[in-house]
Amino acid sequence: QKEVEQNSGPLSVPEGAIASLNCTYSDRVSQSFFWYRQYSGKSPELIMSIYSNGDKEDGRFTAQLNKASQYVSLLIRDSQPSDSATYLCAVTTGTASKLTFGTGTRLQVTL
Amino acid sequence: DTAVSQTPKYLVTQMGNDKSIKCEQNLGHDTMYWYKQDSKKFLKIMFSYNNKELIINETVPNRFSPKSPDKAHLNLHINSLELGDSAVYFCASSHRDLHNSPLHFGNGTRLTVT
Repeated sequence: QKEVEQNSGPLSVPEGAIASLNCTYSDRVSQSFFWYRQYSGKSPELIMSIYSNGDKEDGRFTAQLNKASQYVSLLIRDSQPSDSATYLCAVTTGTASKLTFGTGTRLQVTL
Repeated sequence: DTAVSQTPKYLVTQMGNDKSIKCEQNLGHDTMYWYKQDSKKFLKIMFSYNNKELIINETVPNRFSPKSPDKAHLNLHINSLELGDSAVYFCASSHRDLHNSPLHFGNGTRLTVT
């Protein structure tokens, strides 16, 4: 089992819709969870972090964490074409200094 | 500008050569990392240094040797390059405890081995 798993996609949503991106992880003691966005040919950039169970909202983005189910998700409301990118889920595993990434989900927002 | 900067941006070389990638950060972080992103976009940690001390050393061929002269710099030297080393290499930095201190990435070095 991979440490951090994501559906590779592509996930295609129409402009204005809600995009839902999911991630599961295997390390039960993981404490910190992040979502990064990576445009083609660019470096990953942080868009959300979440550390406790529940929802965390920042603008059009909502991260959701369920530690009992070892599941973290990212909702993007009112999706825009500029949201088209690969979204990487990242989880601290083993130590607080080690960040393990999923393989990423490619999101396409269509006009 | 506060940032993580790495050089070169592109590196094209032949099999068997030795090459280096340099990284510097001015964010005041004490921990730096090298990640490798393959053609399938999987981002995998290679090394991490905290205050010049190696703290993470994943299963990486010993042809790869990181060096951290101080906490603001982390370089990567690769000996006897192989075709499979072709990838994008990202440098990143953070405070040691990633809780409340996410990774900041450099712009990447695209290495092509022919």
